[in-house]
Amino acid sequence: DTGVSQNPRHKITKRGQNVTFRCDPISEHNRLYWYRQTLGQGPEFLTYFQNEAQLEKSRLLSDRFSAERPKGSFSTLEIQRTEQGDSAMYLCASSLTSGRRTDTQYFGPGTRLTVL
Amino acid sequence: GNSVTQMEGPVTLSEEAFLTINCTYTATGYPSLFWYVQYPGEGLQLLLKATKADDKGSNKGFEATYRKETTSFHLEKGSVQVSDSAVYFCALHDSNYQLIWGAGTKLIIKP
Repeated sequence: DTGVSQNPRHKITKRGQNVTFRCDPISEHNRLYWYRQTLGQGPEFLTYFQNEAQLEKSRLLSDRFSAERPKGSFSTLEIQRTEQGDSAMYLCASSLTSGRRTDTQYFGPGTRLTVL
Repeated sequence: GNSVTQMEGPVTLSEEAFLTINCTYTATGYPSLFWYVQYPGEGLQLLLKATKADDKGSNKGFEATYRKETTSFHLEKGSVQVSDSAVYFCALHDSNYQLIWGAGTKLIIKP
């Protein structure tokens, strides 16, 4: 399967602990996006990369959140000192951008985080 | 700023009924428009898209037409099935190609 994959699918942690999620995009896609989705809501944009460069971060992304895409392939999203309000589904998507044209975003299955 | 407004759910229909889920948008320029579907316990899947005015996107019996004059992209299906039960999201690309999402509409199909 060559779709977007995310690991782990579920993560339960205690408040104050650090967690890291991984996203592997579709192989030829140069853009990678992170979103957060809470129950009953649409996704909220967090950040995106074009290749290894992080081009934009939402103001929702506090300083406890950091994302990397070191080689322009997979990406990691780390949350430090987790809080109960961080409990959500974290979604990754990828797309192919060429010049002024950006293709459709394809989503992974998400990582569901529960902070106790 | 850009925004997407969807009809509130849940929408409950009987099997084989006609479906319409309304979506209207506010945007500068001519954004691409999308419908995504999220089945219970699963991630978001692209259902259909349209990239310019009067385009019709279609997939799995669902259709939506990009109406610039009414700034709408309503989702329709002629005969729904129980397996169509899911949450449907309307979205648009903004100028930075970020997706701007509606709040989602939960669809429940009863046999």
